[in-house]
Amino acid sequence: GNSVTQMEGPVTLSEEAFLTINCTYTATGYPSLFWYVQYPGEGLQLLLKATKADDKGSNKGFEATYRKETTSFHLEKGSVQVSDSAVYFCALGGATNKLIFGTGTLLAVQP
Amino acid sequence: GAGVSQSPSNKVTEKGKDVELRCDPISGHTALYWYRQSLGQGLEFLIYFQGNSAPDKSGLPSDRFSAERTGGSVSTLTIQRTQQEDSAVYLCASSLKFDNEQFFGPGTRLTVL
Repeated sequence: GNSVTQMEGPVTLSEEAFLTINCTYTATGYPSLFWYVQYPGEGLQLLLKATKADDKGSNKGFEATYRKETTSFHLEKGSVQVSDSAVYFCALGGATNKLIFGTGTLLAVQP
Repeated sequence: GAGVSQSPSNKVTEKGKDVELRCDPISGHTALYWYRQSLGQGLEFLIYFQGNSAPDKSGLPSDRFSAERTGGSVSTLTIQRTQQEDSAVYLCASSLKFDNEQFFGPGTRLTVL
C-alpha cells in the first residue's frame, strides 16, 4: 500500500542555517504530495504541495520538488528563522485524497 | 471566513464510556475527513465523507468507532466503550471537493483514564 517515510527528528538548527527534511514515498498511480506544518499549539496547515512529477511547490521560502525517479519530496529552506520552529509532516494524497502522513519531524531553530 | 471548528477541545473520560466528537466544516465544503494523531501511531486517516456518497470507513480501527455526517455538513465521530489506547487528538478536515486542499480544525484531545 501507499506509505510515506520521513527523517526522524528532532532537527536542531541555528537561525539562518539551511534546512533539508527528507521525505520518500511508496505509491501506486500518481499521488499528490504535500508538506503540512504544525506550529506549537496550533492546528495543521498546508505549507506546500505538488500534484505531478517535476512540479515544485513553494511557500514562505520553503520548497519541495516532486521527484518521481527517486520517489522523493524533500523539504528545503535556504535560511531558517526561529519562527519556523514546528513539526513538519510529509503526506501523500491518493484517489480520494485521504492523506497518508509521515511520522513528522520536529524542527527547533535556535537564535 | 470561519475555519473548521471542533468541539469539545478537550475531553477526559473513563474507560468504557461512550464519547461524541463534533466537527463543523467550512461552509460549502463537500468533503470531510477525520484523522487521529497519537504518539504511537502518528497521524492516521479514519473516515471520509464526500457529498451524499457512502463514506470511506477504511481507516476506522474497530467497530467501536463510527461517524455520521448530517445534512452534508456537521459530522459526529462516536467512540463506544472507550479504551485507553483511544487517547489521542482527533482531527477533522474539510475541502471544497475531494481533490482540493484540506483545511484542518484545531482537534479534540481525548484522554481515556
